[in-house]
Amino acid sequence: SAVISQKPSRDICQRGTSLTIQCQVDSQVTMMFWYRQQPGQSLTLIATANQGSEATYESGFVIDKFPISRPNLTFSTLTVSNMSPEDSSIYLCSVDDRGTEAFFGQGTRLTVV
Amino acid sequence: GENVEQHPSTLSVQEGDSAVIKCTYSDSASNYFPWYKQELGKRPQLIIDIRSNVGEKKDQRIAVTLNKTAKHFSLHITETQPEDSAVYFCAASIAGGSYIPTFGRGTSLIVHP
Repeated sequence: SAVISQKPSRDICQRGTSLTIQCQVDSQVTMMFWYRQQPGQSLTLIATANQGSEATYESGFVIDKFPISRPNLTFSTLTVSNMSPEDSSIYLCSVDDRGTEAFFGQGTRLTVV
Repeated sequence: GENVEQHPSTLSVQEGDSAVIKCTYSDSASNYFPWYKQELGKRPQLIIDIRSNVGEKKDQRIAVTLNKTAKHFSLHITETQPEDSAVYFCAASIAGGSYIPTFGRGTSLIVHP
């Protein structure tokens, strides 16, 4: 099973600023994902982080707002840009082994004030 | 794309009772159906899964059933305990491919002592 380290675990940020979340996996994985989970809600996929190419974004999410990097097969970052209170949420990175079990980071609880 | 519906959104039971959570999916190509448990403030973790070549799978007090014809699968928890209280997510994906898992909206299970 993959072990994922995600940081920061939480942060309180001022509106208009940006926060970069890091996700480190203990093994090389093909697919890495970023999810948003609003309080009491399900997991909403933001994008798939592709190694060596641009991320693939889901409907409603754009690169300018959520730029993603994937420099290698064990690391990815998600930036939440120009934050507003509506961006307050939990952000989770995940890796998926060939369409089977998904492993999640511990999440980043973001509060925008 | 795949669409996963999950019911109920909230389930309240007495300790020792059974709990059943149901999900339906739309894509007949989906062949892997995991269930995740998310305790408060923690990451989702896989608790049981089932593949489309199996109709039922059991692991101690939890079991999952799959009806491919009807495109629905269910999680059964027997002899519930307070520590079973959590949010449970079902998901559907295609194992072995690059298909991204689609999650249900989650069921908040509350087990009253």
